[in-house]
Amino acid sequence: SQQGEEDPQALSIQEGENATMNCSYKTSINNLQWYRQNSGRGLVHLILIRSNEREKHSGRLRVTLDTSKKSSSLLITASRAADTASYFCATDHSIQGAQKLVFGQGTRLTINP
Amino acid sequence: NAGVTQTPKFQVLKTGQSMTLQCAQDMNHNSMYWYRQDPGMGLRLIYYSASEGTTDKGEVPNGYNVSRLNKREFSLRLESAAPSQTSVYFCASSAVKVRGLAFYEQYFGPGTRLTVT
Repeated sequence: SQQGEEDPQALSIQEGENATMNCSYKTSINNLQWYRQNSGRGLVHLILIRSNEREKHSGRLRVTLDTSKKSSSLLITASRAADTASYFCATDHSIQGAQKLVFGQGTRLTINP
Repeated sequence: NAGVTQTPKFQVLKTGQSMTLQCAQDMNHNSMYWYRQDPGMGLRLIYYSASEGTTDKGEVPNGYNVSRLNKREFSLRLESAAPSQTSVYFCASSAVKVRGLAFYEQYFGPGTRLTVT
């Protein structure tokens, strides 16, 4: 399986602290995406980083990609209680056509007020 | 725009029963996908449709069939449900990727929670 691995599986921090989640994968990618899932809901796209990019920012989110180590990290700065959710990385290995994503098992993030 | 819609939201089946999960998107996307998510797991791709008129197997297709009815609709059918198919099913859509051009995110529906007893 090409499925990526995420760590930690669960993370609990205080509001205002930074949260870092990591994702590793096995085979070369075209891009890597991070998604968020609130309990009982569908996934929502957060950020996409291409294989030729090393870092990307979006608001309080910072994503890094190290293709030599086949790993990525998602940093959420100044966390809020509303950031409580599961976060998934997804790798895209396809060249053209349907964008088939391979999802990691996710990190369950809890922000304590 | 409603985005991606799925029906039903919940379903309980007995082993051996059949049912069809419906999915529709109003974003004019070419590609559509069906995933399953088991407790504490990421999503696994069941089937996908790169464009209207085409469907292909994903990682876990056994026990399922799909129909791409038109550009908007993509249905998933369980012909003879088994307890192992108890899961949450998500439909998603995206623009189709053309070689060398932009990459796209996927848009997800709210899911169908299926229990097979």
